[in-house]
Amino acid sequence: QVQLVQSGAEVKKPGASVKVSCKASGYTFTSYYMHWVRQAPGQGLEWMGIINPSGGSTSYAQKFQGRVTMTRDTSTSTVYMELSSLRSEDTAVYYCARDTDTAMSDWGQGTLVTVSS
Amino acid sequence: QSVLTQPPSVSAAPGQKVTISCSGSSSNIGNNYVSWYQQLPGTAPKLLIYDNNKRPSGIPDRFSGSKSGTSATLGITGLQTGDEADYYCGTWDSSLSEGVFGGGTKLTVL
Repeated sequence: QVQLVQSGAEVKKPGASVKVSCKASGYTFTSYYMHWVRQAPGQGLEWMGIINPSGGSTSYAQKFQGRVTMTRDTSTSTVYMELSSLRSEDTAVYYCARDTDTAMSDWGQGTLVTVSS
Repeated sequence: QSVLTQPPSVSAAPGQKVTISCSGSSSNIGNNYVSWYQQLPGTAPKLLIYDNNKRPSGIPDRFSGSKSGTSATLGITGLQTGDEADYYCGTWDSSLSEGVFGGGTKLTVL
């Protein structure tokens, strides 16, 4: 069965960077794009971007352009999302989600990133 | 402010039916497939409906989806207390070249 296992919770200071990982199993890693979606406390879902694990190409939401970098390691079937210049508003649960062309079919368990001085 | 518009909350009694609307534009719902996600308290979202009206395996037929023009609707029949959750619609926006979601609808089963 498809599994997406994310790295553990992080606490960062304003201005720092965070890198969240998402290890995939149960399917051919390079055959499906991966989204990153975040959810601030008590708020809705916010799309951050998408990566093609096959070639590594990415597309980011304009809101995060210049601050987010998505990468992948095909040898470990893992995708990464790095967000820099963190501010308190970036406190959220970050999810990876497998793309099946028209929907996000499988989700990781989420990674809480807390930004606090 | 979300690109897609959903009512903040809906409620109904156990056993009843409820619908949740999702309104967008020609650049998103009007020309792309809509999906729906259920988020139970404290858990990750789960895919309920894809391609406007298809259910992944394991999703009961109490859940249905439809789309007309620039709006989509999620229907839930035979409501159960376990259906209490937040529900989100999502799609691709061709003008923004971004994924977009509705603001979410909290379902209360009275």
